[in-house]
Amino acid sequence: EAGVAQSPRYKIIEKRQSVAFWCNPISGHATLYWYQQILGQGPKLLIQFQNNGVVDDSQLPKDRFSAERLKGVDSTLKIQPAKLEDSAVYLCASSLVVTGGAGELFFGEGSRLTVL
Amino acid sequence: DAKTTQPPSMDCAEGRAANLPCNHSTISGNEYVYWYRQIHSQGPQYIIHGLKNNETNEMASLIITEDRKSSTLILPHATLRDTAVYYCIVRATNTGNQFYFGTGTSLTVIP
Repeated sequence: EAGVAQSPRYKIIEKRQSVAFWCNPISGHATLYWYQQILGQGPKLLIQFQNNGVVDDSQLPKDRFSAERLKGVDSTLKIQPAKLEDSAVYLCASSLVVTGGAGELFFGEGSRLTVL
Repeated sequence: DAKTTQPPSMDCAEGRAANLPCNHSTISGNEYVYWYRQIHSQGPQYIIHGLKNNETNEMASLIITEDRKSSTLILPHATLRDTAVYYCIVRATNTGNQFYFGTGTSLTVIP
């Protein structure tokens, strides 16, 4: 079974530039998450999708971050304009929707962003 | 926000059992306890989860206290490859529930 795919693995940009990260979840997984992980910290949830609808984006800095999941499969996370503090690993995860039960998250390897 | 408390770091001798504690004193009746680990430069990896009963799989055992306010992840025979950050997470089962990660426990397995 193919895992969660993310690209690019690494990206270096200047502050105020824009960047986009792509995620392809595991086939059949309706729920998709984007997390931000700053060095030395645990992953922080940015946004959660179920199919192509947003379930939770309360921690997404909407003035500069945007995310979409057209057709309920692939997702793109964009940062525009980037700030120095956006330097982090951006993790994508997916899970099955398990009504009343416990669905585990499957993570990709992440996209490491360095903002100079 | 994370609802769990874990020690920031622990050491364990190779071949011995690693016991990683987690406090979740405000856990609700419908919340599961999950454990994930993150090896350097990789995404977090699922280990195990449980609701009330103790659970065991090929990777680890999860012991949940009767009052469910704390739990322990047990790696029965730690190897060098178990060196990682271990996250304990509580998560409700209702629609829209999220996984909130804390800062985890950095486990170092010593040869």
